[in-house]
Amino acid sequence: GAGVSQSPSNKVTEKGKDVELRCDPISGHTALYWYRQSLGQGLEFLIYFQGNSAPDKSGLPSDRFSAERTGGSVSTLTIQRTQQEDSAVYLCASSLGDSLYSNQPQHFGDGTRLSIL
Amino acid sequence: KNEVEQSPQNLTAQEGEFITINCSYSVGISALHWLQQHPGGGIVSLFMLSSGKKKHGRLIATINIQEKHSSLHITASHPRDSAVYICAVGSYGQNFVFGPGTRLSVLP
Repeated sequence: GAGVSQSPSNKVTEKGKDVELRCDPISGHTALYWYRQSLGQGLEFLIYFQGNSAPDKSGLPSDRFSAERTGGSVSTLTIQRTQQEDSAVYLCASSLGDSLYSNQPQHFGDGTRLSIL
Repeated sequence: KNEVEQSPQNLTAQEGEFITINCSYSVGISALHWLQQHPGGGIVSLFMLSSGKKKHGRLIATINIQEKHSSLHITASHPRDSAVYICAVGSYGQNFVFGPGTRLSVLP
């Protein structure tokens, strides 16, 4: 498809397990963003990639969270030793260039709904 | 960190009404993004702007850099416009900070 694709769409797991969330950006989009939206809360920035490098990791809530991007395309967000407060919708977005410098809009995926039991 | 406020929090309108949603922020920015989140959760980018005014169909977005304020207007509103509208601001060296959103319901 032409849009941002995220998988899985839903993930239910037990507290303490590790989870891996995947994002396939729009082809050719160099910038990729991860956000989190907790129930009833606003969107929260997690991390931003330009190509394969992450110039801004300031939003990652703890060292249990990590993300990587390979080949300037697919990105994975990994949460280790999940906690109940990690339950949220994790959204990925991509843009043609850095949104802030190029005024390019971000295109969002449908998100992964993560539930920690 | 930038503080972003939106008003109103909730808005109910009759079909056909002119709607205005406001966004204000505390620190100078390089870009402002208006997003629409549908009831099913999907997010769509409406506008990205750093100055002036942009128009797309029935939607108009304006920004006043000096006053640190942006407005999103919807003309001839329709029930399909019912969604949460989110303002996000970004500045060089600091990534996007999101407002709490405005929940709009347009009644037929």
